[in-house]
Amino acid sequence: NAGVTQTPKFQVLKTGQSMTLQCAQDMNHNSMYWYRQDPGMGLRLIYYSASEGTTDKGEVPNGYNVSRLNKREFSLRLESAAPSQTSVYFCASSPEGGASGANVLTFGAGSRLTVL
Amino acid sequence: LAKTTQPISMDSYEGQEVNITCSHNNIATNDYITWYQQFPSQGPRFIIQGYKTKVTNEVASLFIPADRKSSTLSLPRVSLSDTAVYYCLVGDYAAGNKLTFGGGTRVLVKP
Repeated sequence: NAGVTQTPKFQVLKTGQSMTLQCAQDMNHNSMYWYRQDPGMGLRLIYYSASEGTTDKGEVPNGYNVSRLNKREFSLRLESAAPSQTSVYFCASSPEGGASGANVLTFGAGSRLTVL
Repeated sequence: LAKTTQPISMDSYEGQEVNITCSHNNIATNDYITWYQQFPSQGPRFIIQGYKTKVTNEVASLFIPADRKSSTLSLPRVSLSDTAVYYCLVGDYAAGNKLTFGGGTRVLVKP
């Protein structure tokens, strides 16, 4: 099993360009998350999807949109990239909501984004 | 929303026990406490999870007092490879799995 797969691993954008980060999990998890981590800092929640068909804002949603395409896939889109969005982006998934084990997250390897 | 507070950093030496305490005063009845480890340039990985009292696995122990307002991760006999950032996470089921991390504790193990 691959777990959580993120693409691309690295990306350089110019200010104003758009791009989509892809995330897929093969563990049949219900919940999926997007976090960003700036250098030397902790993880901040951008958006999350508690289950297929639902998405909700996290702590820092401005400048981002998400799509829960199906149970496996959760994409993050930057419509008009800004230098402040330079960061490492992590996708994560967890088994189910509202029960023991719900907050055991499995993370992807990360996508390093630089906006010039 | 259960918010967590941890020390920013801790230093230790090889072979010592490291204890990291996380404060979560607003923990809800159904919340579990989960700890993660993160190495540079990698995603965090699960270490241990607990609800109350003590939980032990092959890498760590987790101590949770009766009031559950804090928890302590204990790493026995650390080695250089345990140098990492450790995060405490408390599940917020009332918000539909809005799982937000605190700042983490940077642990440096010295020879």
